[in-house]
Amino acid sequence: RKEVEQDPGPFNVPEGATVAFNCTYSNSASQSFFWYRQDCRKEPKLLMSVYSSGNEDGRFTAQLNRASQYISLLIRDSKLSDSATYLCARSNTGKLIFGQGTTLQVKP
Amino acid sequence: DGGITQSPKYLFRKEGQNVTLSCEQNLNHDAMYWYRQDPGQGLRLIYYSQIVNDFQKGDIAEGYSVSREKKESFPLTVTSAQKNPTAFYLCASSDRGRFYEQYFGPGTRLTVT
Repeated sequence: RKEVEQDPGPFNVPEGATVAFNCTYSNSASQSFFWYRQDCRKEPKLLMSVYSSGNEDGRFTAQLNRASQYISLLIRDSKLSDSATYLCARSNTGKLIFGQGTTLQVKP
Repeated sequence: DGGITQSPKYLFRKEGQNVTLSCEQNLNHDAMYWYRQDPGQGLRLIYYSQIVNDFQKGDIAEGYSVSREKKESFPLTVTSAQKNPTAFYLCASSDRGRFYEQYFGPGTRLTVT
């Protein structure tokens, strides 16, 4: 099993939809988790950090389930500009372990 | 403006040549990282450094070398021993006090022919 796993998608959703991605991890000792957004041929940009059970920032909500070892990202009222690849990562003694990313395409 | 800079944005080299990628940060971060990303793939860690004059191998260090002589700078050399050097190279830095939130530079696209 990979240390951090994501469904690569693509997830194709209409504008205004709510979409959720899951990310599973294998190391229960991880303390912190991150969601990054990466646009095509650009660098990843930090979207949200999760240190406890979850975090919310506007239309974006991240939930951490330590018992089941997954972290989710919920995007409400999807915009065309949300189209991107979303990478999740977990901390590991000063390093981050990244998943391969989930691609979201928001259609008009 | 605080941030991370990488240069150049695009780099072309002939097979058998060593090439050095630049990464500079003015965020006063202690830790710096180098990743490689191949098309459709996630990020794979090459090397990282948590303090000046010290660095550790990541998951795919073979064929690469680094130095960390200054807090602000963490250059990566792609040597001729790296079998598949063509990739998108990303540098990141983090403040250890923030649970290692990492911030990325704009990346360098290296093409070796």
